[in-house]
Amino acid sequence: ILNVEQSPQSLHVQEGDSTNFTCSFPSSNFYALHWYRWETAKSPEALFVMTLNGDEKKKGRISATLNTKEGYSYLYIKGSQPEDSATYLCAFADMRFGAGTRLTVKP
Amino acid sequence: GAVVSQHPSRVICKSGTSVKIECRSLDFQATTMFWYRQFPKKSLMLMATSNEGSKATYEQGVEKDKFLINHASLTLSTLTVTSAHPEDSSFYICSASQDNYGYTFGSGTRLTVV
Repeated sequence: ILNVEQSPQSLHVQEGDSTNFTCSFPSSNFYALHWYRWETAKSPEALFVMTLNGDEKKKGRISATLNTKEGYSYLYIKGSQPEDSATYLCAFADMRFGAGTRLTVKP
Repeated sequence: GAVVSQHPSRVICKSGTSVKIECRSLDFQATTMFWYRQFPKKSLMLMATSNEGSKATYEQGVEKDKFLINHASLTLSTLTVTSAHPEDSSFYICSASQDNYGYTFGSGTRLTVV
């Protein structure tokens, strides 16, 4: 993997469902991985900065894990709410973003 | 917390004119600033990375003569879209970092070229 890749591209879930998505990145020369929540035409909101292999961070119902050896990070949302609807972006240390996962939570 | 101010939030300009967008770090010194552009229905595309006092590093495919970036001080970076054309209409956003660890985004600028 040469760049940051995110999957799935989009996700539709029902309110209350738990969900997760993936950010894959080059596993060599890892420095840091950033997760952001972004609503189009607004300022991205920083969620997590992941730096250590095995890191697990949590912010309310949102959590993230990091595996630097295999080059992936998972973002989990527990009990999704409509207000969680947004695009979730990850960026490698060079601040190039992946294409994002667009989450839609239906009431 | 760190605050980044971006101005203007919206601008409409005539084709052929130039537009300057400012990005200021209000309560910290930003050693590095990034400029992004959002294409319709796409993610944020990194245009360039600027370090205070040195020339910006542009991403492949970004015209450096068209998108002039100046990072003259530790609290201010500017992006000037020169000789704007309708296809330059987009959402531009900056981000800044004090320590290359945490990054704060500005609120973005919606540019419309008519």
